[in-house]
Amino acid sequence: DVKVTQSSRYLVKRTGEKVFLECVQDMDHENMFWYRQDPGLGLRLIYFSYDVKMKEKGDIPEGYSVSREKKERFSLILESASTNQTSMYLCASRTLRNSPLHFGNGTRLTVT
Amino acid sequence: DAKTTQPPSMDCAEGRAANLPCNHSTISGNEYVYWYRQIHSQGPQYIIHGLKNNETNEMASLIITEDRKSSTLILPHATLRDTAVYYCIVSNRDDKIIFGKGTRLHILP
Repeated sequence: DVKVTQSSRYLVKRTGEKVFLECVQDMDHENMFWYRQDPGLGLRLIYFSYDVKMKEKGDIPEGYSVSREKKERFSLILESASTNQTSMYLCASRTLRNSPLHFGNGTRLTVT
Repeated sequence: DAKTTQPPSMDCAEGRAANLPCNHSTISGNEYVYWYRQIHSQGPQYIIHGLKNNETNEMASLIITEDRKSSTLILPHATLRDTAVYYCIVSNRDDKIIFGKGTRLHILP
């Protein structure tokens, strides 16, 4: 079974802190994705990556950056956390185009 | 914006078939239809996908209309554990995968 692991289940950070959310997959998947999920808004795509060192903006990239130095790891970075970035963050990966996404269980981030 | 339209919620009696509709009238010829579900506090789980033929696996069946403008996910014998939000997605040519708000399915005992 594919395993997508997000490093923290719950995280509490202060406004202005730099925050790293880590995601690791163990199936040599090329594509990786970061979403955030908020009540009433569903899942919204922040960034995605086709392969190592590649990244593409999703629908809501503002306030975020990403890093993909190794194929198995995709990091989401909040350069200066703000309260409106309090959310559930979900990482996903997949192999070729038109194959299913595999999700991690999410990181619930609270920014105070 | 999501390329699919789903009803916000549905009810189904336990033991009956749950039929979840999805409209994707702008789907293009090489786009697949995917279904996922999300149980509270977990990441979405893949259920099934298809291009134009009907598909069945151990979890569900997917019926795609001949014109491919809509599809139906069928859970043949719904149980309380099938209570979840169900998402219908079509894959995008530039690989953005956009989720809509899905259908919240309530299984009634």
